[in-house]
Amino acid sequence: EVQLVESGGGLVQPGGSLRLSCAASGFIFSSSWMHWVRQAPGKGLVWVSRIKSDGSATHYADSVKGRFTISRDNAKNTLYLEMSSLRVEDTAVYYCANSIRSLVSLDHWGQGTLVTVSS
Amino acid sequence: QSALTQPRSVSGSPGQSVTISCTGTSSDVGGYNYVSWYQQHPGKAPKLIIYDVSKRPSGVPDLFSGSKSGNTASLTISGLQAEDEADYYCCSYVGSYTLLFGGGTKLTVL
Repeated sequence: EVQLVESGGGLVQPGGSLRLSCAASGFIFSSSWMHWVRQAPGKGLVWVSRIKSDGSATHYADSVKGRFTISRDNAKNTLYLEMSSLRVEDTAVYYCANSIRSLVSLDHWGQGTLVTVSS
Repeated sequence: QSALTQPRSVSGSPGQSVTISCTGTSSDVGGYNYVSWYQQHPGKAPKLIIYDVSKRPSGVPDLFSGSKSGNTASLTISGLQAEDEADYYCCSYVGSYTLLFGGGTKLTVL
């Protein structure tokens, strides 16, 4: 059974930093592209970032480019999202998801971790 | 880049069919056969129900179907059931390895 478990969310002040983690199991992590998607309270889904299976390529939404960094440790089956220069508008539940069936399908999702940016 | 355009809400009675549209441009929906659809119940994580326009993951009922014409993709749910009441989101590849979601549609089963 595929499992994705996010952690690391919490309350942070504007301008601060936070690192999210996503522990993966039940599939071949090292062969899968991985994504981060966020959802502000009461709002829709927004794609944030994705990383190639071997970590050699990363891509970002314009809204987080230069502030967020996606990375992975295939030895630990773990995906990361390093967030810096956080803004109030970054407040959201952050989900990790894998791509198995297609490079652009988000096949399985974690339960999400809430990031709140507030003073 | 603005979100793909979806109706904010649709509704139908049990047993009926409903269709949710997802309109983009030739640079996203119309340019690639990479549209996926997700179902999200309140307080839950999204679930993939359609990928690559019309493919259905194993375990997803064939009551769900997807299609595309020009710059508009569609999700059709045939034989509505109470448990289909949820939010539905489309998502398209937009080039440069980036994805774009629609604004979401709330489906109400009357």
